[in-house]
Amino acid sequence: DAGVTQSPTHLIKTRGQQVTLRCSPKSGHDTVSWYQQALGQGPQFIFQYYEEEERQRGNFPDRFSGHQFPNYSSELNVNALLLGDSALYLCASSLDEREISDTQYFGPGTRLTVL
Amino acid sequence: KQEVTQIPAALSVPEGENLVLNCSFTDSAIYNLQWFRQDPGKGLTSLLLIQSSQREQTSGRLNASLDKSSGRSTLYIAASQPGDSATYLCAVFNAGGTSYGKLTFGQGTILTVHP
Repeated sequence: DAGVTQSPTHLIKTRGQQVTLRCSPKSGHDTVSWYQQALGQGPQFIFQYYEEEERQRGNFPDRFSGHQFPNYSSELNVNALLLGDSALYLCASSLDEREISDTQYFGPGTRLTVL
Repeated sequence: KQEVTQIPAALSVPEGENLVLNCSFTDSAIYNLQWFRQDPGKGLTSLLLIQSSQREQTSGRLNASLDKSSGRSTLYIAASQPGDSATYLCAVFNAGGTSYGKLTFGQGTILTVHP
């Protein structure tokens, strides 16, 4: 049973560029959440997707957008990259949040470096 | 707004010692609390999940307690080993307010166990 997978593993971009990160949830999961983890900090919630719609959003600007596909996989897009966007981006999957007791399973992350 | 604090920020102990990591949160309206382990540059591994109605959970040498009313949790590691060296993150799954439905993380405790 494959866990949460993310691609690419590492990415280097320059300021002003756009980036797309991808996530495939754990088998059987239908909810995907994205987190940003700056160096030395805890992860910060970006947004959550369920049934192909953004259901929750953290305190991130509109430059951060996402999408969820019918197979529950998800993309995170960041436009007009800033140096401060350099971070580890983590994807987490879970069952529908009505199943509150379920844990979230995290992928290995994508390390984004903005130069 | 939920805030999670972890103390200490870093801890260095000799192999074999028992140790305690602390986590506190400001809003007691939570569904559950999780402890995660993160190795350098890697994703998160869930160690223990405590539902809001529970007082503690145990897995092997790990024991986590939860006092929801006081907003505190502790992670107890018995007979520490060098392989326990990692960053330990505490996260609460919020049940109310503007943080509803999101995981809020602490900044983590960096643990080093030396032989």
